[in-house]
Amino acid sequence: DAGVIQSPRHEVTEMGQEVTLRCKPISGHDYLFWYRQTMMRGLELLIYFNNNVPIDDSGMPEDRFSAKMPNASFSTLKIQPSEPRDSAVYFCASRVSGTEQYFGPGTRLTVT
Amino acid sequence: KNQVEQSPQSLIILEGKNCTLQCNYTVSPFSNLRWYKQDTGRGPVSLTIMTFSENTKSNGRYTATLDADTKQSSLHITASQLSDSASYICVVTSSGGSYIPTFGRGTSLIVHP
Repeated sequence: DAGVIQSPRHEVTEMGQEVTLRCKPISGHDYLFWYRQTMMRGLELLIYFNNNVPIDDSGMPEDRFSAKMPNASFSTLKIQPSEPRDSAVYFCASRVSGTEQYFGPGTRLTVT
Repeated sequence: KNQVEQSPQSLIILEGKNCTLQCNYTVSPFSNLRWYKQDTGRGPVSLTIMTFSENTKSNGRYTATLDADTKQSSLHITASQLSDSASYICVVTSSGGSYIPTFGRGTSLIVHP
């Protein structure tokens, strides 16, 4: 298996622009997680899905952030409009119920 | 509030030396504790997992310990190698509700030749 796939790996955008991050989980995994990692705060859970349904989005910082999982093999995290404080590495992870999470390589977002 | 605190924040050692990283948590009820290794530019990878009844778990040169009474864990690295240079993250999962993990901020380890 190729593992969790994320795209793009790097994104540089200007403040106010819309940003869309993409994730393909490992086939057969029924949980998908979106995390944000910064030096100041470490890893933070933003939202997670079970069987494509959002279960807990309490970590989403504000309404500018939204996430979707239209099918079992694809999820997006969208930021609109983006702000410089959104600059971070965004990780997607997936797992089968009751097992460990497998993380993707992350998307490094820079908002100028 | 569930919290995971790690120390030290950063550590520099010479190749071949041993080191111990610490993790204290207040997560309750407790389900399991994992140590992850995160290489620069990559996602975290699980090293060990321990449940309430386990007090030690090894993975090669990595040995994790857990004291569920004091809510402390340690990760001991033996005979360090340059490839051990990474961030080590302690993650505690609660069994209450949806098994959501609480992450520590990590210890950055640098191994010098």
